[in-house]
Amino acid sequence: DSGVTQTPKHLITATGQRVTLRCSPRSGDLSVYWYQQSLDQGLQFLIQYYNGEERAKGNILERFSAQQFPDLHSELNLSSLELGDSALYFCASSVDPGTMSDTQYFGPGTRLTVL
Amino acid sequence: SQQGEEDPQALSIQEGENATMNCSYKTSINNLQWYRQNSGRGLVHLILIRSNEREKHSGRLRVTLDTSKKSSSLLITASRAADTASYFCATDFQGAQKLVFGQGTRLTINP
Repeated sequence: DSGVTQTPKHLITATGQRVTLRCSPRSGDLSVYWYQQSLDQGLQFLIQYYNGEERAKGNILERFSAQQFPDLHSELNLSSLELGDSALYFCASSVDPGTMSDTQYFGPGTRLTVL
Repeated sequence: SQQGEEDPQALSIQEGENATMNCSYKTSINNLQWYRQNSGRGLVHLILIRSNEREKHSGRLRVTLDTSKKSSSLLITASRAADTASYFCATDFQGAQKLVFGQGTRLTINP
């Protein structure tokens, strides 16, 4: 158990819908990262937040957005869902966002299925 | 692409044998990390090697880094059935603010 929690574990929805994925980092970790893992694209970095502020952006679509709240939990919002958005979405956390030399602790993931 | 590439894509060996996986990358890095992922689960950090290090050990794991060849290898000695998983290298490219993961090596340990 990494100490990172993600809810829900599974999510099934229809195209065009909007969903929210939630992540609670390890106690004491200020940095949260979101990743998407699909069979064809592999593990893709989406976005990073540190202490409530966006720190780095990766391959995140405009239909996707995220935020980190004062209690440090984070939410990833996916809207206008398409079939291709079906994937595993992981959240990870770390203590120090200053460099990527910090170990990232991954949550168990949310499996999103868009029908 | 800056993405690291693992080789082989899949590896199947007998329990007790050693497993070697390789990772190649294209641009200068600050460090390279290896992660393990059991089927459908989250990734677990195994080991980090910095660009000024050549070799690192952790239990049955041995990681080497050759920055001149832009490659790294992960050796798992005396493999066990529980080592069955996918293994990913992740690179922290200089100037980038993200970890870039390779496509992974799927390792199967046969009892």
